[in-house]
Amino acid sequence: SQQGEEDPQALSIQEGENATMNCSYKTSINNLQWYRQNSGRGLVHLILIRSNEREKHSGRLRVTLDTSKKSSSLLITASRAADTASYFCAKSLSTGNQFYFGTGTSLTVIP
Amino acid sequence: DAGVIQSPRHEVTEMGQEVTLRCKPISGHDYLFWYRQTMMRGLELLIYFNNNVPIDDSGMPEDRFSAKMPNASFSTLKIQPSEPRDSAVYFCASSPRLGRKWETQYFGPGTRLLVL
Repeated sequence: SQQGEEDPQALSIQEGENATMNCSYKTSINNLQWYRQNSGRGLVHLILIRSNEREKHSGRLRVTLDTSKKSSSLLITASRAADTASYFCAKSLSTGNQFYFGTGTSLTVIP
Repeated sequence: DAGVIQSPRHEVTEMGQEVTLRCKPISGHDYLFWYRQTMMRGLELLIYFNNNVPIDDSGMPEDRFSAKMPNASFSTLKIQPSEPRDSAVYFCASSPRLGRKWETQYFGPGTRLLVL
């Protein structure tokens, strides 16, 4: 993809462990957002981080942004079975009106 | 608020038939987006509207696809004629205007389309 990808594509962990997903991009962004999609459902917004921010927290979620490396990571701490879902990053580019979703990371949390 | 509403939730049709997907965005949101999701291509932005006006339809795959937004509370995505490769989940999303760039998008539950 011209706008980067998420990795890993799939992740399987035990309940209670931390899960880390990464997102890369190739051009300057205005903001980057993380979404969750449960099987058969629509996407739900989790957190937004702006280009001038380096870290944000929301509950058990922690998002970091490294603009020099053009990458972001989503950390879910103390994972639960209910966290099982696909996670997508979406990039709002600085120029033009472009908004791209990545291919997603499929997370499975084993009880 | 009920959130973004899409109908139908499931649609099964035969190749060559016309398909119309409907979306009601969240009241007060200025932006409306149509996406298509498949295993092969992931989540693709097809078209988006700002204040009912189509801004970017470069993601619309072919002339068989068309989208309209006659008013702030209703949009349609039409496929005519439909083909098996159009089978996918189609999502509608809306977003409030905050500054000059998009902020959070709120997604509907999607319409699962199967073209036989």
